[in-house]
Amino acid sequence: EAGVVQSPRYKIIEKKQPVAFWCNPISGHNTLYWYLQNLGQGPELLIRYENEEAVDDSQLPKDRFSAERLKGVDSTLKIQPAELGDSAVYLCASSLGGTGSPMNTEAFFGQGTRLTVV
Amino acid sequence: AQSVTQPDIHITVSEGASLELRCNYSYGATPYLFWYVQSPGQGLQLLLKYFSGDTLVQGIKGFEAEFKRSQSSFNLRKPSVHWSDAAEYFCAVRGSTLGRLYFGRGTQLTVWP
Repeated sequence: EAGVVQSPRYKIIEKKQPVAFWCNPISGHNTLYWYLQNLGQGPELLIRYENEEAVDDSQLPKDRFSAERLKGVDSTLKIQPAELGDSAVYLCASSLGGTGSPMNTEAFFGQGTRLTVV
Repeated sequence: AQSVTQPDIHITVSEGASLELRCNYSYGATPYLFWYVQSPGQGLQLLLKYFSGDTLVQGIKGFEAEFKRSQSSFNLRKPSVHWSDAAEYFCAVRGSTLGRLYFGRGTQLTVWP
């Protein structure tokens, strides 16, 4: 079974340019997360989706960041315009989701997209 | 608010030696606790998790962790480290069945041959 797939793996852009990251979660997983990982730090949640609905986006800088999850499957995270401080690894994760057993909430992570803003 | 502290930024051990990585969490009730490992350029892989029940949990790759409520700790252990265990290790906490994971800043493990 394929895991969480992210693309691109690496991206270098100039500041003020737009950039987008794509995530394909594990088939059947209703919950999708985008995490930001700065160098030397642990991941921090940007946004969490339950199916198509963004249920936790309190940490998403909405002035420049946006995300969407059309049809409750793939998701795209966009930054426009990018700033130097956005250089980081952007991780996507998914889990079965839903209520009930906490086992359904185990998160599986993709390999991430490393963004460098110059 | 939930938070995780990993007091050791970097640990170096010799191959074959035992390992303990420390993790302390802050949460009012019984948390869900996790340990993840991240190799360079890779995503995070789940090593083990604690939801309830037996406080000593076994994971993959020979790792185990013990939940100690009185100390708010969830330390990761391995009796004999292999060179391939060199990586970064993250402890994480979740306060409910749904919701975000709160990660510590990670501990970088170096293994000497």
